[in-house]
Amino acid sequence: QQQVKQSPQSLIVQKGGISIINCAYENTAFDYFPWYQQFPGKGPALLIAIRPDVSEKKEGRFTISFNKSAKQFSLHIMDSQPGDSATYFCAASYTSGTYKYIFGTGTRLKVLA
Amino acid sequence: ETGVTQSPTHLIKTRGQQVTLRCSSQSGHNTVSWYQQALGQGPQFIFQYYREEENGRGNFPPRFSGLQFPNYSSELNVNALELDDSALYLCASSLAGLHGYTFGSGTRLTVV
Repeated sequence: QQQVKQSPQSLIVQKGGISIINCAYENTAFDYFPWYQQFPGKGPALLIAIRPDVSEKKEGRFTISFNKSAKQFSLHIMDSQPGDSATYFCAASYTSGTYKYIFGTGTRLKVLA
Repeated sequence: ETGVTQSPTHLIKTRGQQVTLRCSSQSGHNTVSWYQQALGQGPQFIFQYYREEENGRGNFPPRFSGLQFPNYSSELNVNALELDDSALYLCASSLAGLHGYTFGSGTRLTVV
């Protein structure tokens, strides 16, 4: 019940295209869902996050869609750019206790110029 | 405002040895969490320190231990190293009671 399943494992998109990464969770007690971006040799950096009382959140070219009933959420990257090439992790957390994050296994995105 | 700084960046140790990794938290943050990221995997929660005490622990054996100092910096110690301990160790600082980690760039530990 603690797992967060992420797909696809890797993704290749043309410049200007839409990149879509999906995540699913089991534990309905999770109430905070962030997405992190990680470049080689660097630590993960927070991209965007959502709470389950909202179905969509947009920040620039990045959008999270959240489906509470299906226990799924996804990251959409519009107008994908070569600079977006990185590994993306979804995560789930509780707003209590340690606030620890359960991360997905990651999606390696490559945007072709 | 400084970010999270980890040292060393890379480390090679022999099986059975002990290792200490260090982390300086972001200015203003009072909580430090450590994560282990195996190659091709997402980070896994090891433990968290707040007010110099362990505040939660993931599914890691007792040979993984830590410290937090009055300036909120932290150490991760691993005893009796095993080959499977080879990973990127990430330190993340945050403010207690709030979401939003700031991760360091990590220490790449290789156990041979």
